[in-house]
Amino acid sequence: AQKVTQAQTEISVVEKEDVTLDCVYETRDTTYYLFWYKQPPSGELVFLIRRNSFDEQNEISGRYSWNFQKSTSSFNFTITASQVVDSAVYFCALTLNQAGTALIFGKGTTLSVSS
Amino acid sequence: DTAVSQTPKYLVTQMGNDKSIKCEQNLGHDTMYWYKQDSKKFLKIMFSYNNKELIINETVPNRFSPKSPDKAHLNLHINSLELGDSAVYFCASSQAYYNEQFFGPGTRLTVL
Repeated sequence: AQKVTQAQTEISVVEKEDVTLDCVYETRDTTYYLFWYKQPPSGELVFLIRRNSFDEQNEISGRYSWNFQKSTSSFNFTITASQVVDSAVYFCALTLNQAGTALIFGKGTTLSVSS
Repeated sequence: DTAVSQTPKYLVTQMGNDKSIKCEQNLGHDTMYWYKQDSKKFLKIMFSYNNKELIINETVPNRFSPKSPDKAHLNLHINSLELGDSAVYFCASSQAYYNEQFFGPGTRLTVL
């Protein structure tokens, strides 16, 4: 069975600090896809990134970066120089390369950035 | 230009009532989903439709019935509402199951 674990329930940082959100996944499939979504206080779910299991290249998008390591089954997310607007719940998710599968979400990490 | 829309945004109702939530996407996607987010923010898949055909039907009470009149719409009907049904329900769509899913704004259902 597939599983996504986000061990950090809540993280609090002060603006301009860097913060890393951890995500560990479990699957026996060799082809799968990993995602990060952001849920700000307004409640919508915003897609951030998608990664397939064959692409272990790290990715950077502005202040956001992602580190995918198959050896440790992790897909961690780092925010550099955090801002108050980064305050949100962040979800890591997994789906398989099979029709009939949907996103399996971790329980989310609530990030609070104070000024 | 809303990609995935849901109505209503808020729904407050009494136990035992029947209610529906509507979802529409204008992205041309062929797969649509319903997710439930509970009070602890946990998101779980309920149903998935591909080209109007039911693909996923998780362990959900049969009081919940999805209906997809066409590829762009996936509605959720709930019979005999119970207190435990209070949650935020999200509709989503994607082009193929492995691509990113785009979510609607959510419907906050409160059962009194």
